[in-house]
Amino acid sequence: NAGVTQTPKFQVLKTGQSMTLQCAQDMNHNSMYWYRQDPGMGLRLIYYSASEGTTDKGEVPNGYNVSRLNKREFSLRLESAAPSQTSVYFCASSDGWGGYTFGSGTRLTVV
Amino acid sequence: AQTVTQSQPEMSVQEAETVTLSCTYDTSESDYYLFWYKQPPSRQMILVIRQEAYKQQNATENRFSVNFQKAAKSFSLKISDSQLGDAAMYFCDDCRLSGGGADGLTFGKGTHLIIQP
Repeated sequence: NAGVTQTPKFQVLKTGQSMTLQCAQDMNHNSMYWYRQDPGMGLRLIYYSASEGTTDKGEVPNGYNVSRLNKREFSLRLESAAPSQTSVYFCASSDGWGGYTFGSGTRLTVV
Repeated sequence: AQTVTQSQPEMSVQEAETVTLSCTYDTSESDYYLFWYKQPPSRQMILVIRQEAYKQQNATENRFSVNFQKAAKSFSLKISDSQLGDAAMYFCDDCRLSGGGADGLTFGKGTHLIIQP
């Protein structure tokens, strides 16, 4: 099915470990996004990529890096995980005209 | 900066009744979109309804409709004939249109909707 695919769905990390969350879309969208969702906080934008080759910080970028590998793929990296990064992470893409599609989320726990 | 405020952390309604979820927003943009997304326990974000700010007519999608008051920056969601499957978190969001929406959605904190059978 067409849409946004993110992996893994669940992950447990130890403090200080690193990992990369992968995201791919097959809708030929230019823009892609990474959000985190914490209880009572809604979704907050971490980083976004308006087009291939560009990335920009969102509301909560500290502790994260991103790579827009090509038009389809946008990865999120945690270099040294901290318990404060325990959250549910969502990748999304947009057609630039208000049409957004979300992945199914990654539940990350940092112990 | 854009902000979206949902003042009702939780709402409860009897099955088959009507419920209205409130949302206010603050944006300096002249062109923007407004959205309501639904998030059931499966975590999947599902678009419920979308409103282009330049359109005066309120958007409707079957049992879902909005009351868009541009001057008051208010965007409430009305769910008619509530069904058990409507139980979920509901998020109000906006995004800029001028930039093609490229800088992403701004989310409210959500309203947890409970449907009483």
